[in-house]
Amino acid sequence: DQQVKQNSPSLSVQEGRISILNCDYTNSMFDYFLWYKKYPAEGPTFLISISSIKDKNEDGRFTVFLNKSAKHLSLHIVPSQPGDSAVYFCAASARNAGNMLTFGGGTRLMVKP
Amino acid sequence: ETGVTQTPRHLVMGMTNKKSLKCEQHLGHNAMYWYKQSAKKPLELMFVYNFKEQTENNSVPSRFSPECPNSSHLFLHLHTLQPEDSALYLCASSQDHHEQYFGPGTRLTVT
Repeated sequence: DQQVKQNSPSLSVQEGRISILNCDYTNSMFDYFLWYKKYPAEGPTFLISISSIKDKNEDGRFTVFLNKSAKHLSLHIVPSQPGDSAVYFCAASARNAGNMLTFGGGTRLMVKP
Repeated sequence: ETGVTQTPRHLVMGMTNKKSLKCEQHLGHNAMYWYKQSAKKPLELMFVYNFKEQTENNSVPSRFSPECPNSSHLFLHLHTLQPEDSALYLCASSQDHHEQYFGPGTRLTVT
């Protein structure tokens, strides 16, 4: 049973618009959440994270929102750029589980010029 | 060289071969990981080493054998693999299990 789910396998957005990638989790013990970006033939690259004590974290064009009651997090990219086209993975960890990461299945984002 | 490096980048092996994947991290981290990424599946954690000691083994078949001689190097020894073991094998490192930094991966094909 997947504890971290990304229900949209792909998303297509026009350049300059907002991209919103969603992630749901089931384990209420998760207390740290991360987003990774992966280009073909490369390993995932850490993008942004958020602790469960916060509901928002912003870094440049990237903002992560956490809704603990809904067990939902989202990544907003604004404005989207063609170079943002990649697969995005969300991941979650729990301090009581040694902070091991559990990954979602990924969402492929395509930003059209 | 910086970050996490993996060699080889591509590997084709027969089911009776023995090969090894190598990972090296230049970040001074104390934990290293092996992950498997199969097509259309989430990243699967295989092994975790913390200060050279194996702390996690996610029910991985014995045909995969990890080795961590020091906190900067991690190997994955492969022996009598099956075609379904074909996947992208990713190495990662972290400091105290927070943000993990990944290598580029080894694309393995078992024929």
